[in-house]
Amino acid sequence: DQQVKQNSPSLSVQEGRISILNCDYTNSMFDYFLWYKKYPAEGPTFLISISSIKDKNEDGRFTVFLNKSAKHLSLHIVPSQPGDSAVYFCAASGGGGADGLTFGKGTHLIIQP
Amino acid sequence: EAEVAQSPRYKITEKSQAVAFWCDPISGHATLYWYRQILGQGPELLVQFQDESVVDDSQLPKDRFSAERLKGVDSTLKIQPAELGDSAMYLCASSRAPITSTDTQYFGPGTRLTVL
Repeated sequence: DQQVKQNSPSLSVQEGRISILNCDYTNSMFDYFLWYKKYPAEGPTFLISISSIKDKNEDGRFTVFLNKSAKHLSLHIVPSQPGDSAVYFCAASGGGGADGLTFGKGTHLIIQP
Repeated sequence: EAEVAQSPRYKITEKSQAVAFWCDPISGHATLYWYRQILGQGPELLVQFQDESVVDDSQLPKDRFSAERLKGVDSTLKIQPAELGDSAMYLCASSRAPITSTDTQYFGPGTRLTVL
């Protein structure tokens, strides 16, 4: 039973355009959400996070939106750059009181020139 | 910028052998995590430490896996005996705060384990 779902295994976007990565969750106890970027053979790199008391957080080219009623969050990257090509993981914590992260399966973002 | 250190980066072993992975968290980080990532999946939590104490090891296969953080700083994850299905990336992460849902976890580069 997957509590964090990323339903798009891959996404192809043209350089300079907006990339939108989506994530859905089922556990109502999650109260903190994060996005990580991962290159092959490396550990995940933290990108941006959002607390459940907010609906938007922005950091440079990256914006995360949270819709608690729909249990949905999205990551927007504007403008997309070739170096953004990587696997993006959505993660959540807060369920059950422990703060180990629950990850989605990831979305492979490919930025095309 | 401080980083989480892990060693070795790569490990190849035969099934039934013992393997061990080491992690040194960012200095001052009280909480340490071990995750396992199977190819094509997201990382899954194996064990969480708060200082030297285990907070959550509910997903750790305790018949063959063990983890310790004796002095509340660096940590070792051991598998004995290794099985073919243990082939995966083993990731260590740390965060600054005690148990809280609003702190960021920073990951190390991982150890890629291949069991033959």
